[in-house]
Amino acid sequence: AQKVTQAQTEISVVEKEDVTLDCVYETRDTTYYLFWYKQPPSGELVFLIRRNSFDEQNEISGRYSWNFQKSTSSFNFTITASQVVDSAVYFCALSELNAGGTSYGKLTFGQGTILTVHP
Amino acid sequence: DVKVTQSSRYLVKRTGEKVFLECVQDMDHENMFWYRQDPGLGLRLIYFSYDVKMKEKGDIPEGYSVSREKKERFSLILESASTNQTSMYLCASSRDRDEQYFGPGTRLTVT
Repeated sequence: AQKVTQAQTEISVVEKEDVTLDCVYETRDTTYYLFWYKQPPSGELVFLIRRNSFDEQNEISGRYSWNFQKSTSSFNFTITASQVVDSAVYFCALSELNAGGTSYGKLTFGQGTILTVHP
Repeated sequence: DVKVTQSSRYLVKRTGEKVFLECVQDMDHENMFWYRQDPGLGLRLIYFSYDVKMKEKGDIPEGYSVSREKKERFSLILESASTNQTSMYLCASSRDRDEQYFGPGTRLTVT
């Protein structure tokens, strides 16, 4: 069965600190996708990134960066120079295939990490 | 701009009532999903649908049913609401294995 583990339940940092959110996954699929979502206090989940299992290049988008390592089944997310607006719940997710080899876009989510950035 | 809308942001119902939660997407997506979100438990999939009139159970379907008569609309039904169904309900849609787009959520309280 697929599984996504976000071991950090809550993280608290002071503005301008760098922070890394960990994500470890388990899957038997050879082709899969990994995702990160942000859920700000307003409640609506916002898509941040999708990564294909064949692409292990790190990705950087502004203050956000992602480190995908297949060897350790990890897909970690780093926020550089954190800001108060980064305070949110962050979810890592894994796509999966059903028994017939199709997907239907179904995702397995981790339990989320609550990030609080203090001014 | 892509959009998933849910019929209510907040809803209060009594135990035993039949409850309908509506979700509409305007992106022509094949897949639609219903989740519930509870503190410490993350997002748990209730049901999903990959085509009109097609549905599959998620991880926690007990006490729920769904309906998808049109591609853009996916309804979640609580046949007889109970207090343990008090939760945040999130609807999402996607195309194939692309990212899911989420609605704003419905916070349901059953008293």
